[in-house]
Amino acid sequence: RKEVEQDPGPFNVPEGATVAFNCTYSNSASQSFFWYRQDCRKEPKLLMSVYSSGNEDGRFTAQLNRASQYISLLIRDSKLSDSATYLCVVNPRSSGNTPLVFGKGTRLSVIA
Amino acid sequence: NAGVTQTPKFQVLKTGQSMTLQCAQDMNHNSMYWYRQDPGMGLRLIYYSASEGTTDKGEVPNGYNVSRLNKREFSLRLESAAPSQTSVYFCASSTGYQETQYFGPGTRLLVL
Repeated sequence: RKEVEQDPGPFNVPEGATVAFNCTYSNSASQSFFWYRQDCRKEPKLLMSVYSSGNEDGRFTAQLNRASQYISLLIRDSKLSDSATYLCVVNPRSSGNTPLVFGKGTRLSVIA
Repeated sequence: NAGVTQTPKFQVLKTGQSMTLQCAQDMNHNSMYWYRQDPGMGLRLIYYSASEGTTDKGEVPNGYNVSRLNKREFSLRLESAAPSQTSVYFCASSTGYQETQYFGPGTRLLVL
């Protein structure tokens, strides 16, 4: 199993829809998780952190399932401006000091 | 605060030429990173640095060298550019390896 795996999409959804992405991770010792957003031809930016049982920020909800080793991102009432690639990021918490691991991303297109 | 800045924004090189990509951050972060991003490949870590004077290889270090000049600056050097190094290069920084990374706007490099 790869360290971080995401469905690449694309997910094409109409405005106002609810969409969810999943991300699986391989290291059961991982302790913290993030979702980043990357717009076309731009740098990745932090969307939200996911530390314990989940996190909510407006229309965005992130959930963590430690037993099954996955995190999810739920977007409610999708807007055209939500169109982007969403990157799942995991803190591997392995024995040495190692950086965060980025997934390849899931592409979302919200259509009018 | 400017955050993370990168120069140049765009560069075209001929095979065999050398160049240095510059990165600086003004957030007093300890850790800095260089990534490349190619279509369908996601972000791939080239080199990273925990602090001034220390550097470590990431997933794809071949063909690159780095210098952590001081706490603010982390440069990436291509000694003999190859077409396979055509990519978008992102620099990032964070307070520590396990913390949120902040990205620069990227350098688009084309090697002919």
